[in-house]
Amino acid sequence: DVKVTQSSRYLVKRTGEKVFLECVQDMDHENMFWYRQDPGLGLRLIYFSYDVKMKEKGDIPEGYSVSREKKERFSLILESASTNQTSMYLCASSSPSRDRGAGANVLTFGAGSRLTVL
Amino acid sequence: GENVEQHPSTLSVQEGDSAVIKCTYSDSASNYFPWYKQELGKGPQLIIDIRSNVGEKKDQRIAVTLNKTAKHFSLHITETQPEDSAVYFCAARLYQKLVFGTGTRLLVSP
Repeated sequence: DVKVTQSSRYLVKRTGEKVFLECVQDMDHENMFWYRQDPGLGLRLIYFSYDVKMKEKGDIPEGYSVSREKKERFSLILESASTNQTSMYLCASSSPSRDRGAGANVLTFGAGSRLTVL
Repeated sequence: GENVEQHPSTLSVQEGDSAVIKCTYSDSASNYFPWYKQELGKGPQLIIDIRSNVGEKKDQRIAVTLNKTAKHFSLHITETQPEDSAVYFCAARLYQKLVFGTGTRLLVSP
C-alpha cells in the first residue's frame, strides 16, 4: 500500500524554537508538497519540490524553509517558531497520472502533524 | 493566481438523502478539478476528479459536474450513508499548482 509517512503526529514547541517536520514517501514520486490546514482556510501550499535539491515557494512560504536531499524525503523547517504557526501540517506526494492525462497529478497525503507553538 | 470558493462550510443531511457541494474558481486557465475527502485523523484522499474537457463524471454514488463558462463545479453524493461523514475539499489546478477550497464538513445522520 502506498504511503506518505509524517514522523510526528503531535508536537508542542516554544516560541523561537527551531522545528523540523519530516515526511517520507515510498512510492518513488517525483513531486512533494507541504500544506498547512486551518479551520475556514482550507489547505494552503507552503512549499513544493519537483526534484531532489529543488524547491519552489507556494502561497504562504514566509517563516518556513524546506529541504529535499533525497527523492523520498521532504522536510519542512520552521527556523524560529511563532504562535501563528500553530496548525495542522500535511505532506503530500504525487507523480503524473497517465490515466487522468497530463497535469492531473493525484496527491497522496500523510496523516498530518499537529503543531502547537506556545 | 487562482482562487477557489467552496460552499457550504457545513452540511447536515439524513441518511439516504443527497448532498451537493459547490465550488467556483477564478482563472479560466485551470484545467483539472479534483475532490478530496478527509476523514477524522487522516489526510485527504482523492475520491473523484474531472478535467476541463469533460462536463460530468460519475463513480457509483458520487458525481462531479463542471460548468466551464460559469467556472463552477459541484460534487453530488446520492443515497448518503454515515460513512460519508467527513470534510470534503474541492481544488483547481492552475499550471503546476493545486489550489484548494476551504472545505465542507458533511454530517450524515442515521
